[in-house]
Amino acid sequence: EAQVTQNPRYLITVTGKKLTVTCSQNMNHEYMSWYRQDPGLGLRQIYYSMNVEVTDKGDVPEGYKVSRKEKRNFPLILESPSPNQTSLYFCASRRTQGGLVNTEAFFGQGTRLTVV
Amino acid sequence: AQRVTQPEKLLSVFKGAPVELKCNYSYSGSPELFWYVQYSRQRLQLLLRHISRESIKGFTADLNKGETSFHLKKPFAQEEDSAMYYCAPANNAGNMLTFGGGTRLMVKP
Repeated sequence: EAQVTQNPRYLITVTGKKLTVTCSQNMNHEYMSWYRQDPGLGLRQIYYSMNVEVTDKGDVPEGYKVSRKEKRNFPLILESPSPNQTSLYFCASRRTQGGLVNTEAFFGQGTRLTVV
Repeated sequence: AQRVTQPEKLLSVFKGAPVELKCNYSYSGSPELFWYVQYSRQRLQLLLRHISRESIKGFTADLNKGETSFHLKKPFAQEEDSAMYYCAPANNAGNMLTFGGGTRLMVKP
């Protein structure tokens, strides 16, 4: 089944303790991205990747890192989490057509992170 | 700056009533426009995209470039339409997909 898989689904951690949220897709999509969803603010893009070894900042990249060593994986890294990073995180992937990314985005099931 | 506004956080209608979910955007160039939907306990998924000019589950969306709006409409709402709806313009390069704050649609029996 074609899908985007995030792990873990739920995570409670303490301030400053490094964590990684994994994202994997099996659709051979070139483009992957991370969003955070907060009440009243919708989804805001954190980072995106157009292809392997190509990453770029979205609207709210502060406090996050990403890597794209393989096409299927796009982990989100919080080196020193803080309470304001408590949020619901979504990973998404898209196919590219002619270099443009005007295609449907497929989303993971979400990771609810709480930083205390 | 790219911005998309969905003015209604909550829209409550009775079954069979018409529905219009508003979306206004401020974007440079000519963005590609999408509507995404999230049903309870399900992933966010594509509902429809402007370029396809399609009607999905009875929903349509008309692009008004003069008003920079992309409102989502359905003539007769059904209970199973209850969900969160997000308007999402993408920039010309397609690398930035911006989401509005979302509108929760509740269709009452």
